[in-house]
Amino acid sequence: AQSVAQPEDQVNVAEGNPLTVKCTYSVSGNPYLFWYVQYPNRGLQFLLKYITGDNLVKGSYGFEAEFNKSQTSFHLKKPSALVSDSALYFCAVRDEAGANNLFFGTGTRLTVIP
Amino acid sequence: GAGVSQSPSNKVTEKGKDVELRCDPISGHTALYWYRQSLGQGLEFLIYFQGNSAPDKSGLPSDRFSAERTGGSVSTLTIQRTQQEDSAVYLCASSTTNFPGRVEAFFGQGTRLTVV
Repeated sequence: AQSVAQPEDQVNVAEGNPLTVKCTYSVSGNPYLFWYVQYPNRGLQFLLKYITGDNLVKGSYGFEAEFNKSQTSFHLKKPSALVSDSALYFCAVRDEAGANNLFFGTGTRLTVIP
Repeated sequence: GAGVSQSPSNKVTEKGKDVELRCDPISGHTALYWYRQSLGQGLEFLIYFQGNSAPDKSGLPSDRFSAERTGGSVSTLTIQRTQQEDSAVYLCASSTTNFPGRVEAFFGQGTRLTVV
């Protein structure tokens, strides 16, 4: 069975500093990995995904994520954080060998401090 | 419509009453998901529909919860005899399966359910 772990409930970073939001996964086959963002009182918005190919994936709003197969990780990164990046971030996974269901982590609240 | 539509956006109900939550997926999307997000919590998977296949109901928390999808489009999540712990935001998402597993899911704005 597939699962996703986001080990940090809360991440604080100063504006202008690089940010990392961590995600690890467990699947039987090859993973399809996704990041979503939820702004206050808004629905979830898709940020980026890894399907195959380059391990570094670029997405919306300057975010990127690095797929690391040996560490089963898919950490979200941004070189320079903005206050407007403050939100709840969710990592999700599908198992290529599975039934196409989509499982989410518990979320990480990112706060960018001015 | 262009996106996933959920109704109502807010629902307040008395403990013990039944409620129905509706989801209109993006036209042509064959996969439909229901999740629950409690205050300060992550996304809890409830149920997943894929085309005409039997739904994956493994996430439904009790037999008070059920869902159906008519005609492969609109879905209704029903909660019977609501309890206060059912209070949460219920999120619906849909995706295509032209490339199974590889496509992102699109979310509705959710239904905020409050059981009093």
